[in-house]
Amino acid sequence: QVTLRESGPALVKPTQTLTLTCTFSGFSLSTSGMCVSWIRQPPGKALEWLALIDWDDDKYYSTSLKTRLTISKDTSKNQVVLTMTNMDPVDTATYYCARGAVVAAPYFDYWGQGTLVTVSS
Amino acid sequence: AIRMTQSPSSFSASTGDRVTITCRASQGISSYLAWYQQKPGKAPKLLIYAASTLQSGVPSRFSGSGSGTDFTLTISCLQSEDFATYYCQQYYSYPPLTFGGGTKVEIK
Repeated sequence: QVTLRESGPALVKPTQTLTLTCTFSGFSLSTSGMCVSWIRQPPGKALEWLALIDWDDDKYYSTSLKTRLTISKDTSKNQVVLTMTNMDPVDTATYYCARGAVVAAPYFDYWGQGTLVTVSS
Repeated sequence: AIRMTQSPSSFSASTGDRVTITCRASQGISSYLAWYQQKPGKAPKLLIYAASTLQSGVPSRFSGSGSGTDFTLTISCLQSEDFATYYCQQYYSYPPLTFGGGTKVEIK
């Protein structure tokens, strides 16, 4: 059974760095072709893809946010970590991690429940 | 970046209706398109990938079609549990992966 769970702070202050952890089970990120992405959704708005890391440790980022994002993985812990620097109130959103079973064609078959991050002083 | 445009952004329908949602890509994406359903307060759920392949466990009243730039999601007989927001996503070219703006299906 594949599961993913996001964890991290619910509230961050402007200019701070956000660190989110995706802990997953039921698959291995060392399996060829596997990948995990972070996707966010501001309240009442559409989904926005942020970053992806694959089994081979290749990393891909949103064009508009790439200077602020870092994605990494710890295969032994079944975790993927996303850091986002210089947080702003417009970054308030629910942040999801999701599994892509085929990095060459990354659609997302399993998602975490999401974690709401509010940016406010 | 490939821009995904969904239409309509929202509409009302009744149970039993046949409904169609459209997704248009700003450039050709072959069949590298997925559809998701999202209910309030929940994570998106994969319905269809490769434009027309039904994800395991998804009811057969859902179907997808299209290739290139124009795609449709059809629900053949709308059920009460289908009232939700639907998103398309292209995975033909990345980064970035891109989603459509969503289509909200509401009860008439």
